[in-house]
Amino acid sequence: GAVVSQHPSWVICKSGTSVKIECRSLDFQATTMFWYRQFPKQSLMLMATSNEGSKATYEQGVEKDKFLINHASLTLSTLTVTSAHPEDSSFYICSAGQSYGYTFGSGTRLTVV
Amino acid sequence: GNSVTQMEGPVTLSEEAFLTINCTYTATGYPSLFWYVQYPGEGLQLLLKATKADDKGSNKGFEATYRKETTSFHLEKGSVQVSDSAVYFCALSETDSWGKLQFGAGTQVVVTP
Repeated sequence: GAVVSQHPSWVICKSGTSVKIECRSLDFQATTMFWYRQFPKQSLMLMATSNEGSKATYEQGVEKDKFLINHASLTLSTLTVTSAHPEDSSFYICSAGQSYGYTFGSGTRLTVV
Repeated sequence: GNSVTQMEGPVTLSEEAFLTINCTYTATGYPSLFWYVQYPGEGLQLLLKATKADDKGSNKGFEATYRKETTSFHLEKGSVQVSDSAVYFCALSETDSWGKLQFGAGTQVVVTP
């Protein structure tokens, strides 16, 4: 079946630094990937839609300059959290659409200290 | 806009009990409906889906029927196991394959021996 690999699975960074999260589709090409954020004990909220070769589409309220998304190839999308602050600590998860549903990565738990 | 409403948790059950998690939705078009499961510390896994009215999705003993007249997609399992302890998310997408997912708040299910 379709596999989406997300790395790292967890990361701790200092406030003010940047963190890059990778999302790869291993056995299929994904022209579109989605990035979600999940706060503790809450649901997933869509942050942005990542389209290969073009600019990402951000949901209302998501800072595009803070959450940089790059989708340079059909198998790789990256999310960079720039100048991270403690309030950015969250669970970030990507997904890629397939005809039979959406395959999610395993998620990245970001802790900013 | 679209929305998904799930019953609040946590839901605590004994092993072999019957499980129902209610899910209702509002949508402007004809969405596809999904149930995802998230085990502790992991990403999301697709549990089942239904793409049109009266479709029944089923997997691992879980079932849900797309009811357009009541705009519902309730999840049921006849006999739960301890391994079913997880958070369950109801979700919808306006398009079958490439649309964005709108998630419900999630329902935590705890199954005790």
